Amino acid sequence: GAVVSQHPSWVICKSGTSVKIECRSLDFQATTMFWYRQFPKQSLMLMATSNEGSKATYEQGVEKDKFLINHASLTLSTLTVTSAHPEDSSFYICSARAGGRTGGDNSPLHFGNGTRLTVT
Amino acid sequence: AQKVTQAQTEISVVEKEDVTLDCVYETRDTTYYLFWYKQPPSGELVFLIRRNSFDEQNEISGRYSWNFQKSTSSFNFTITASQVVDSAVYFCALKVGFGNEKLTFGTGTRLTIIP
Repeated sequence: GAVVSQHPSWVICKSGTSVKIECRSLDFQATTMFWYRQFPKQSLMLMATSNEGSKATYEQGVEKDKFLINHASLTLSTLTVTSAHPEDSSFYICSARAGGRTGGDNSPLHFGNGTRLTVT
Repeated sequence: AQKVTQAQTEISVVEKEDVTLDCVYETRDTTYYLFWYKQPPSGELVFLIRRNSFDEQNEISGRYSWNFQKSTSSFNFTITASQVVDSAVYFCALKVGFGNEKLTFGTGTRLTIIP
């Protein structure tokens, strides 16, 4: 079945550095991928929608200059947390869907395994 | 605006008991989709079910069953004869309209099955 791979699974970085997280669709093409953020014991909040070949769409309150998204191919989207701070420590998870763009498609959203970011 | 409420923050049951996880949603759209995902301790989200607003038929998959009631805007999830492997956080989510992939998640219910 469709699989979404996320790398790395966890990362620890120092404050002020940048961290890149990759999200790959392994056996399908994904024109659109989604980045979510989950604080401990909280729900997932959509950060941005990553569109292949165009700019990402960010949700209200998400700093586009801090969370850089690049969707350079149909199977890869990257999220770069720039100048990371301890408050950026969180669980970041991406998702993608095989098939077309319409919500009527029966393909479910597939999620990656997530990346736990800890900024010290 | 859409909203998903999972009022049960944590539930603990003894193995083999049945357990129901509640989900109440809010939307003004007439076309929408409801989902349940399981998040085990490892963190990944495992898709369990998707139901669209035009299909109120309840579904059963093994020990899992879902009760969709539009009249009460609820989409409850029941696990029958629970097992330790069912321990996880379960999220209910809502997506509205066509061509819109944004999922609105509930806050999740942490289910612990006691052996």
